[in-house]
Amino acid sequence: AQTVTQSQPEMSVQEAETVTLSCTYDTSESDYYLFWYKQPPSRQMILVIRQEAYKQQNATENRFSVNFQKAAKSFSLKISDSQLGDAAMYFCAYNQAGTALIFGKGTTLSVSS
Amino acid sequence: EAQVTQNPRYLITVTGKKLTVTCSQNMNHEYMSWYRQDPGLGLRQIYYSMNVEVTDKGDVPEGYKVSRKEKRNFPLILESPSPNQTSLYFCASSPIPLSNTEAFFGQGTRLTVV
Repeated sequence: AQTVTQSQPEMSVQEAETVTLSCTYDTSESDYYLFWYKQPPSRQMILVIRQEAYKQQNATENRFSVNFQKAAKSFSLKISDSQLGDAAMYFCAYNQAGTALIFGKGTTLSVSS
Repeated sequence: EAQVTQNPRYLITVTGKKLTVTCSQNMNHEYMSWYRQDPGLGLRQIYYSMNVEVTDKGDVPEGYKVSRKEKRNFPLILESPSPNQTSLYFCASSPIPLSNTEAFFGQGTRLTVV
């Protein structure tokens, strides 16, 4: 079965700095999709960024970018110019066969001024 | 406004008292799903539905039931809740079975079973 591992339960960063959240996954498939979701204290699940495995180019959304290493099965999220509003729990997720998102356990990011 | 609406947002109940958490989406999505979120475990899928009258088990279906009689609604039923079902529940929908499309999540339902 596919699994998603986030090895950093907590991370911290100062405003305006850069932070990288790690995610690894295990799959035998060659075509799949990966996502990062943000969950602020409001509990709402917000899509941050997505990556299609067949695309070699790393996805970027404003201050958020990923480092997708398909051979290593690694999918890290980089947040540049961190802001107080980035404080949240971040979940890495893998799309399994179109029927489920497989989530990691999450990384709580705190941002200090 | 396109949204997934869950009700209630908070619920405290007693062991064994049947309850239903409703989920409704206004985007005409075919795919809907329920997840539970527990500390240190992330989100885990309970049930999903690919279309009306088509439902299937996820990773943690024990103690739950669902139905999909209408495209927009996908209620989660706990016939005899137990304390280990205390959790944060999310309903999600997407236009087609998941691929690269975004899954839209409801606001979450915090359930406490005492």
